[in-house]
Amino acid sequence: DQQVKQNSPSLSVQEGRISILNCDYTNSMFDYFLWYKKYPAEGPTFLISISSIKDKNEDGRFTVFLNKSAKHLSLHIVPSQPGDSAVYFCAATGSARQLTFGSGTQLTVLP
Amino acid sequence: ETGVTQTPRHLVMGMTNKKSLKCEQHLGHNAMYWYKQSAKKPLELMFVYNFKEQTENNSVPSRFSPECPNSSHLFLHLHTLQPEDSALYLCASSQGRSNEQFFGPGTRLTVL
Repeated sequence: DQQVKQNSPSLSVQEGRISILNCDYTNSMFDYFLWYKKYPAEGPTFLISISSIKDKNEDGRFTVFLNKSAKHLSLHIVPSQPGDSAVYFCAATGSARQLTFGSGTQLTVLP
Repeated sequence: ETGVTQTPRHLVMGMTNKKSLKCEQHLGHNAMYWYKQSAKKPLELMFVYNFKEQTENNSVPSRFSPECPNSSHLFLHLHTLQPEDSALYLCASSQGRSNEQFFGPGTRLTVL
């Protein structure tokens, strides 16, 4: 059973609009959450993270929101750019410091 | 070379072949990881090495054999694989067991 779920395999957004990628988790012991971005033929690259003691972390156009009671996090990208088109992976970790990944969401930003 | 490199980038092998995947990190990290990514599935952690010592083996079949001769190099030796082992194999490194891992580009493996 997947402990980290990304229920939308794909998302298309118009350039300049907001992209919202969602992630749900089931393990209440997770205390740190990360988003990775992956282009074709490249490995995943770290994008942004959030600790469970926070509910929001912002870095430029990227903001991650954490709702612990709902065991849900989301990544907001605004404004979206064509170069943001990639697969986005949500990951979570607990005290063991092993990353548990979701299956990814393919974001396509249309010019 | 910078970051994490993996060779080969693509590999096609028969079920009776023996091959090895190589990973090298140029970041001064002391933890290295092997992941498997099958189509439409999450990345699955296979092995973890911390200071050259294997600390995790997530129930990986013995036909996959890791080797970590030093903190910068990690190998995955492959022997008598099955077609269902076809996947993208990713190597990653981190400083200790920190949350942020740096990934290589992966080896696309096809088992015929």
